[in-house]
Amino acid sequence: GNSVTQMEGPVTLSEEAFLTINCTYTATGYPSLFWYVQYPGEGLQLLLKATKADDKGSNKGFEATYRKETTSFHLEKGSVQVSDSAVYFCALSITGGFKTIFGAGTRLFVKA
Amino acid sequence: DVKVTQSSRYLVKRTGEKVFLECVQDMDHENMFWYRQDPGLGLRLIYFSYDVKMKEKGDIPEGYSVSREKKERFSLILESASTNQTSMYLCASRYDTGGAYGYTFGSGTRLTVV
Repeated sequence: GNSVTQMEGPVTLSEEAFLTINCTYTATGYPSLFWYVQYPGEGLQLLLKATKADDKGSNKGFEATYRKETTSFHLEKGSVQVSDSAVYFCALSITGGFKTIFGAGTRLFVKA
Repeated sequence: DVKVTQSSRYLVKRTGEKVFLECVQDMDHENMFWYRQDPGLGLRLIYFSYDVKMKEKGDIPEGYSVSREKKERFSLILESASTNQTSMYLCASRYDTGGAYGYTFGSGTRLTVV
């Protein structure tokens, strides 16, 4: 079946540190991959996406590359800010399908 | 700005009560979804609807039902609330991002069943 596995949190970093949140997936068919972010007290927001192998999604300084050979979609940011503190969800959906599969979420704390 | 609005931010209900969670979107999206979010489990799909009066079960539909009488409104119903339904409930509508579908989520309803 289809599934998403992401690294357990919480992840605690100092401001301006480099961030990596790992995400791997299993899927039948040709998935699209996503990262969503949930700030405290809010719903999830789409952060970035990639629809085919080797695509790189990017937004707000965050990047993730769709690696078919390693079935991964790791989230990276070169220099985190306190305002990046949130829960990050990796997700996949199969083209033509109705469902999106979400990972368990990784909480990020950024200290000033 | 597009919006998904959930009627209540926090709810406390008693075991056995019938509970209604309301969700409204202003984007004319056809597809709407109800998820529950629990620590360590991420988001699990309860029900979704792809058109007015149309619904499909998700992964954990037991103990829930839904109603979609108008395109903009999608209601989740707990027929007889139980303590194991204490959770955060998220409503979402789906849109085409260009080659893939994305979701707009509401802020969530944190339900406590006592």
